[in-house]
Amino acid sequence: SQELEQSPQSLIVQEGKNLTINCTSSKTLYGLYWYKQKYGEGLIFLMMLQKGGEEKSHEKITAKLDEKKQQSSLHITASQPSHAGIYLCGADLSGGNQFYFGTGTSLTVIP
Amino acid sequence: EAQVTQNPRYLITVTGKKLTVTCSQNMNHEYMSWYRQDPGLGLRQIYYSMNVEVTDKGDVPEGYKVSRKEKRNFPLILESPSPNQTSLYFCASRFLSIGTDTQYFGPGTRLTVL
Repeated sequence: SQELEQSPQSLIVQEGKNLTINCTSSKTLYGLYWYKQKYGEGLIFLMMLQKGGEEKSHEKITAKLDEKKQQSSLHITASQPSHAGIYLCGADLSGGNQFYFGTGTSLTVIP
Repeated sequence: EAQVTQNPRYLITVTGKKLTVTCSQNMNHEYMSWYRQDPGLGLRQIYYSMNVEVTDKGDVPEGYKVSRKEKRNFPLILESPSPNQTSLYFCASRFLSIGTDTQYFGPGTRLTVL
């Protein structure tokens, strides 16, 4: 079973549209990380959330961690082709340093 | 420049031939980790280390070994590789304390076992 569920699995949007990716856990999230990956390449760190209710933004990307610390969302405003790639959430679910990733969301942005 | 380096980047080998993938970080991070990435299965943790001489199994440790003799290095060893270990491997490092802002990833090693 997947410890972290991401939805949707894939997303195709027109340039300029907003979109949201969700990451849900059945356990408390001790630090939730968002990464972006170009196909077959390394992971680029986007943001890290720790506190319930926390929200962080970087350029047109905003991530939130809900109050119960079991779900996070990543929102992209006015998407651009440069946003295309695979978005991954990752988390420590036990406080013990074992790390889990979601299965990823593949984003395609059509110019 | 803060970075995690992995070598080799690409490797094709045959079943049973021992191999080592090296990982090195220059940030004095306590925590280092290895992951494999497979289509449909995502990234799964193989082993992690919280400091020198301290290693723990992740989700998929079978068929792998690691060592942490120095803080900066965390090699991944496949004693007898098999085709099901064909995958994309990533090494990562960060400071140990929860709430650390960034986990740095290496560029990946694409391994093919024939």
